[in-house]
Amino acid sequence: TQLLEQSPQFLSIQEGENLTVYCNSSSVFSSLQWYRQEPGEGPVLLVTVVTGGEVKKLKRLTFQFGDARKDSSLHITAAQPGDTGLYLCAGTHGSSNTGKLIFGQGTTLQVKP
Amino acid sequence: GAVVSQHPSWVICKSGTSVKIECRSLDFQATTMFWYRQFPKQSLMLMATSNEGSKATYEQGVEKDKFLINHASLTLSTLTVTSAHPEDSSFYICSARDLSRAPRETQYFGPGTRLLVL
Repeated sequence: TQLLEQSPQFLSIQEGENLTVYCNSSSVFSSLQWYRQEPGEGPVLLVTVVTGGEVKKLKRLTFQFGDARKDSSLHITAAQPGDTGLYLCAGTHGSSNTGKLIFGQGTTLQVKP
Repeated sequence: GAVVSQHPSWVICKSGTSVKIECRSLDFQATTMFWYRQFPKQSLMLMATSNEGSKATYEQGVEKDKFLINHASLTLSTLTVTSAHPEDSSFYICSARDLSRAPRETQYFGPGTRLLVL
């Protein structure tokens, strides 16, 4: 079974704090995508990482893909209330030609002002 | 770029009726689209892969006669929930890949369709 374990599942923090969300697997992924979803809307792509060890930054968000391409993390610096939402990681396997995404369980983030 | 739309955004129907949801890639062609279902505060669950010009591939446990998928063109896939019942009430989301844009693995999601069956 190809699983992507995402943690924590719930996070409630104060504005200005830092946080990290993790996605881990025993399987190798050819790519890993991070999405943010707000209630009643579809997921919005934040980043796609494809190279082991890759680090990408998007303003206060830093994404890292593990060297072995089995894990990834999302770090948010100085969180703001606008960061509140459901964060989803999803990966694709190189052995599969279907393009199907394997999703993590999601992390619900609440940033209190 | 890579915009995906869905219609309708929400629908309320009576039990026993059928509901059709459209998924369109607005600025790119998509030979493959994906249909997901999402329950409140949960992650996305893949229902099926829609393939242009051929039959859809359904995930284990998803009834193909219940959820009819048609991918008649490179920019449109439809999901029809047949004989809908209250337990079919959910948030349905589609996605598509733009193979002309790197990374090719990236899926772009529609805004979702909220279905409520009374």
